[in-house]
Amino acid sequence: DAGVIQSPRHEVTEMGQEVTLRCKPISGHNSLFWYRQTMMRGLELLIYFNNNVPIDDSGMPEDRFSAKMPNASFSTLKIQPSEPRDSAVYFCASTLGQANTEAFFGQGTRLTVV
Amino acid sequence: DQQVKQNSPSLSVQEGRISILNCDYTNSMFDYFLWYKKYPAEGPTFLISISSIKDKNEDGRFTVFLNKSAKHLSLHIVPSQPGDSAVYFCAAIIFGNEKLTFGTGTRLTIIP
Repeated sequence: DAGVIQSPRHEVTEMGQEVTLRCKPISGHNSLFWYRQTMMRGLELLIYFNNNVPIDDSGMPEDRFSAKMPNASFSTLKIQPSEPRDSAVYFCASTLGQANTEAFFGQGTRLTVV
Repeated sequence: DQQVKQNSPSLSVQEGRISILNCDYTNSMFDYFLWYKKYPAEGPTFLISISSIKDKNEDGRFTVFLNKSAKHLSLHIVPSQPGDSAVYFCAAIIFGNEKLTFGTGTRLTIIP
């Protein structure tokens, strides 16, 4: 298995533009997580899905952020409009969907909003 | 509100010596704890975990200790090797809930 696949690896965009980050979880994994890494807060959970259904989106910073999981093999995190303070590394992770199981992370998308 | 805290942003240790990374948590509901290791330009990878019913878990050079009364855990690496240089994240979870809460990370540098 190729692991969790994220695209793009790097994204540079201008303030106000829409940004879409993509994630393909490991086949057979039932839960998918979106994290944001910053120096100040470490790894923050933005949202997670179980069986394609959003379970907890309390970490989504504001309405500019939205996430979807239309099927078991694909998820998107969208920021519209983007702002410079959104600049961070965004990680997607997946698990088997059982408590206390290991989360497998993708390589991340480094987003820079100028 | 940072429920999982890693108060040392960085740590340097001589090769061959012991590395000790610390983590504190505030939520007494956490009952499972994990350590993840992250190299530059890669995602975090799972390293070792411990259940709250234990106070120690060992895997090769890595040992995690849990002190529930102090709400503190630590990761010991011995002997430290250059390949251990990475950022280490502590994480906690409540049984039955998949939501991993991470700390801010500690950058470990092993000096040859």
